[in-house]
Amino acid sequence: DTGVSQDPRHKITKRGQNVTFRCDPISEHNRLYWYRQTLGQGPEFLTYFQNEAQLEKSRLLSDRFSAERPKGSFSTLEIQRTEQGDSAMYLCASSPGRETETQYFGPGTRLLVL
Amino acid sequence: DAKTTQPPSMDCAEGRAANLPCNHSTISGNEYVYWYRQIHSQGPQYIIHGLKNNETNEMASLIITEDRKSSTLILPHATLRDTAVYYCIVSSYGNKLVFGAGTILRVKS
Repeated sequence: DTGVSQDPRHKITKRGQNVTFRCDPISEHNRLYWYRQTLGQGPEFLTYFQNEAQLEKSRLLSDRFSAERPKGSFSTLEIQRTEQGDSAMYLCASSPGRETETQYFGPGTRLLVL
Repeated sequence: DAKTTQPPSMDCAEGRAANLPCNHSTISGNEYVYWYRQIHSQGPQYIIHGLKNNETNEMASLIITEDRKSSTLILPHATLRDTAVYYCIVSSYGNKLVFGAGTILRVKS
């Protein structure tokens, strides 16, 4: 059984560029979550999906951020016009959505905006 | 804001039990206590969770007080690889996890 996978693991970009991250959840997990973690802090919730429906978005998710889960399987997180303050680790987690709701995290994508 | 309070750091000798405390005095009746840990530069790793009964799995034990206002995570025989940030989180099923600063556990030989 493979865990949550994220791609890429590292991304360096210049300010103003767009970036897209991908998350593949554990097979048959209905819920998918995105979190962001800056240096020295705990992860902060961004958004989550139940199948393909985006059910909650944090106020941290500005208009430059968009997330999709088109077929209820993998998800993408896009950041447009990146800013230096977007530099962080972006974490994806999934949960079964049934009798147990334990979230399992991927390894994260570390973004550095120059 | 996180609904839990944890000490910022703790040390433990290798091979000894590590007991990590957590206060969650405002926990609601439908909220579980979850423990995750994060080793440097990796994603958080699920350890254990419980509602009101004590729980044990292959990684750790979770002791929850009868009033559910505090809990203790026990790593029975800590190894150097257990050095990590440990997060105690209270959340109802299906809800987002709200992480605090966690406890930095340093296991020393």
